[in-house]
Amino acid sequence: GNSVTQMEGPVTLSEEAFLTINCTYTATGYPSLFWYVQYPGEGLQLLLKATKADDKGSNKGFEATYRKETTSFHLEKGSVQVSDSAVYFCALSDSGNTGKLIFGQGTTLQVKP
Amino acid sequence: GAGVSQSPSNKVTEKGKDVELRCDPISGHTALYWYRQSLGQGLEFLIYFQGNSAPDKSGLPSDRFSAERTGGSVSTLTIQRTQQEDSAVYLCASSLARHSDTQYFGPGTRLTVL
Repeated sequence: GNSVTQMEGPVTLSEEAFLTINCTYTATGYPSLFWYVQYPGEGLQLLLKATKADDKGSNKGFEATYRKETTSFHLEKGSVQVSDSAVYFCALSDSGNTGKLIFGQGTTLQVKP
Repeated sequence: GAGVSQSPSNKVTEKGKDVELRCDPISGHTALYWYRQSLGQGLEFLIYFQGNSAPDKSGLPSDRFSAERTGGSVSTLTIQRTQQEDSAVYLCASSLARHSDTQYFGPGTRLTVL
């Protein structure tokens, strides 16, 4: 069945460091891919998405490229800030009719000043 | 505009009691989803509604769990005879119908079963 695997955390970085959070997936068909973020004490919110191969999603300085050949959707940011500290979830939506999301286990990012 | 709302925000109950959790989706969103977030299992899909029908109930963990949606809007998730392993945050999300559309999540209901 469909699944998502994320790199395990927690990830601890200094402010202005480069961030990569790895995400790979297994899916039949052509899923859409998402990164959701959960800031402390807040609900899940969409960070970025890509709906087909080679698409790049971007938002708030974060980027991820849908790589079908490597079944990956790694999240990157060139210079993290303390305010980026949160839990990041990679997810795919099935290519059937439901659109239900299948999530990775989440990666906690802590950015220190 | 208004986002997805859920009530109550917190619910503490005793083992064996029934609970009802409510979700108000974004107006006009025909697709509604319930998920569960727990420490041991991460984020899991429970059930999907399109309008008032539920074509995918595959994530409901047992027959103690049920859900309904009325008027193509409000949804209620009911857990009967609650068990301690039901303790989790229950999240509701809504979206337009297409599978690539963004799902907008509510703040969740934190359920604690004593």
